[in-house]
Amino acid sequence: NAGVMQNPRHLVRRRGQEARLRCSPMKGHSHVYWYRQLPEEGLKFMVYLQKENIIDESGMPKERFSAEFPKEGPSILRIQQVVRGDSAAYFCASSPRQGQQYFGPGTRLTVT
Amino acid sequence: GESVGLHLPTLSVQEGDNSIINCAYSNSASDYFIWYKQESGKGPQFIIDIRSNMDKRQGQRVTVLLNKTVKHLSLQIAATQPGDSAVYFCAEDSRTGTASKLTFGTGTRLQVTL
Repeated sequence: NAGVMQNPRHLVRRRGQEARLRCSPMKGHSHVYWYRQLPEEGLKFMVYLQKENIIDESGMPKERFSAEFPKEGPSILRIQQVVRGDSAAYFCASSPRQGQQYFGPGTRLTVT
Repeated sequence: GESVGLHLPTLSVQEGDNSIINCAYSNSASDYFIWYKQESGKGPQFIIDIRSNMDKRQGQRVTVLLNKTVKHLSLQIAATQPGDSAVYFCAEDSRTGTASKLTFGTGTRLQVTL
């Protein structure tokens, strides 16, 4: 059973470009969570999704950030018009239900 | 011994000794707590969890203690090995309705010396 998969693992974008981060949950998991981690800090919750629904986006910046988890395909975290402050590691986690979350390897976004 | 570095607090222990990593949580309504291990360049890896109706839970070489009175959580690692070197985070699950949301602590870096 493959774990949570994220791609790309590393992403470099210039200021003003768009970043698209993908997350494929573990097989059988219908709950997806996105977190952001700055260097030397803990993970910060961004958004919680179930298939085709956003359940909790209280940690998501109001502008430029969006997330989706379509019926088919991976969950996407989209950051429009990136700025240097968006540089971070973005982790996705999945769970079969509320409770234990399994984390992916992360996408390290660098904005130049 | 334990020291506070520039960013993450660091705990240095000798191989074979026991390690104790502490964590304070903020939400008295949280009912589920998890310890994660994060190695450099990787995602957090589940170690052990505990529900608020318990005060102790043991796994293989690890024990988690929960003190709800002072909102304190600790992770004990027995016979620490070099492979235990990593950053350790506690997380609390602060559920609102059906939504599950983990709030992570700042983390502690464990350095195992030979």
